Amino acid sequence: AQSVSQHNHHVILSEAASLELGCNYSYGGTVNLFWYVQYPGQHLQLLLKYFSGDPLVKGIKGFEAEFIKSKFSFNLRKPSVQWSDTAEYFCAVNARTGGFKTIFGAGTRLFVKA
Amino acid sequence: GAGVSQSPSNKVTEKGKDVELRCDPISGHTALYWYRQSLGQGLEFLIYFQGNSAPDKSGLPSDRFSAERTGGSVSTLTIQRTQQEDSAVYLCASSFLAGGKVDTQYFGPGTRLTVL
Repeated sequence: AQSVSQHNHHVILSEAASLELGCNYSYGGTVNLFWYVQYPGQHLQLLLKYFSGDPLVKGIKGFEAEFIKSKFSFNLRKPSVQWSDTAEYFCAVNARTGGFKTIFGAGTRLFVKA
Repeated sequence: GAGVSQSPSNKVTEKGKDVELRCDPISGHTALYWYRQSLGQGLEFLIYFQGNSAPDKSGLPSDRFSAERTGGSVSTLTIQRTQQEDSAVYLCASSFLAGGKVDTQYFGPGTRLTVL
């Protein structure tokens, strides 16, 4: 069965610090990959997605993620975080042979100190 | 346009009672998903509907859980004989799927279910 691991459950950073949130998945075939974000009091929304092509994808608000197939990873990065990045971040994976089912990780709560 | 809406926003029920949770997807979206979000557990996939295809029910945790989607639009998630461990936020998402490819899911605000 597919699974998605997010290594950090809670991360606390100061503004301007760099961010990297880990995501690993356990499926050997072709995958579609997503990062979603939930800001306090708001709905979950898409941050970025990868289907194919350039493994470095850019999303909204200066976020990017790199797909490393050999490591089954899709880590999220941002060079300099802002207080407004405080949110919960979810990695999600769809196995292309698995229909439209999407598996989410447990989430990482990021708190950015002003 | 309108986003995904869910009702009720909060539901408190007694153990053993049945509950129905409703989801109105974005108009024109072909796929509809249900997830359960518990503290520290992330989003747990429950079921998805895509067009006229048979739903993928592989995530439903027990036969007390069922869902239907009428007319390819509104969906209802029903939990029978609720248990305290069913307490969670139930999220609905919809997506427009074309070319057989998963794409962005648009989430509703969720229904917070509390079973006493």
